[in-house]
Amino acid sequence: DSGVTQTPKHLITATGQRVTLRCSPRSGDLSVYWYQQSLDQGLQFLIQYYNGEERAKGNILERFSAQQFPDLHSELNLSSLELGDSALYFCASRGGVDTEAFFGQGTRLTVV
Amino acid sequence: GQNIDQPTEMTATEGAIVQINCTYQTSGFNGLFWYQQHAGEAPTFLSYNVLDGLEEKGRFSSFLSRSKGYSYLLLKELQMKDSASYLCAVKDTDKLIFGTGTRLQVFP
Repeated sequence: DSGVTQTPKHLITATGQRVTLRCSPRSGDLSVYWYQQSLDQGLQFLIQYYNGEERAKGNILERFSAQQFPDLHSELNLSSLELGDSALYFCASRGGVDTEAFFGQGTRLTVV
Repeated sequence: GQNIDQPTEMTATEGAIVQINCTYQTSGFNGLFWYQQHAGEAPTFLSYNVLDGLEEKGRFSSFLSRSKGYSYLLLKELQMKDSASYLCAVKDTDKLIFGTGTRLQVFP
């Protein structure tokens, strides 16, 4: 158990819909990262938050948005869903500068 | 721009040694990580290099050359459970950017 919790574990929804994925980082970790992993693909960096502020952005679509709340949990919002958005979405958290990121178990999103 | 390259697939025999290479070109560099990922599961941390040289951790070692933009992960005494994807990741200022991963299959 990495200490990073993601909910839900599985999500099936229709095209055009909107979903929210939730991530609770390890206790005390201020950084939260979001990644998308399509079938047999690498981890695509979406966005990073640090202590409530957006710190870095990757290849995140305009239909996607995220935020980190005062209690440090984070949410990734995906809207106007398309079939190609079907993927595993991982959240990871980090503590200090030279520490590794710990990953949650992911949310498997299926868009039908 | 950012580019992290790894071989797509490798195979090896149980008990053998395998070396997985990673080359990177990133606008910034603040360290390199190796992760292991079994299919459908979360990546788990293996090693971290920020200075040049070799870091050894049991059966796994990782090497970094910052001047060459190169790292490798060395797995010794391979076991069947080592069949997984191995991901190289570069910390570029605040970003943690992953390569596409190397799928390793270990055969008896």
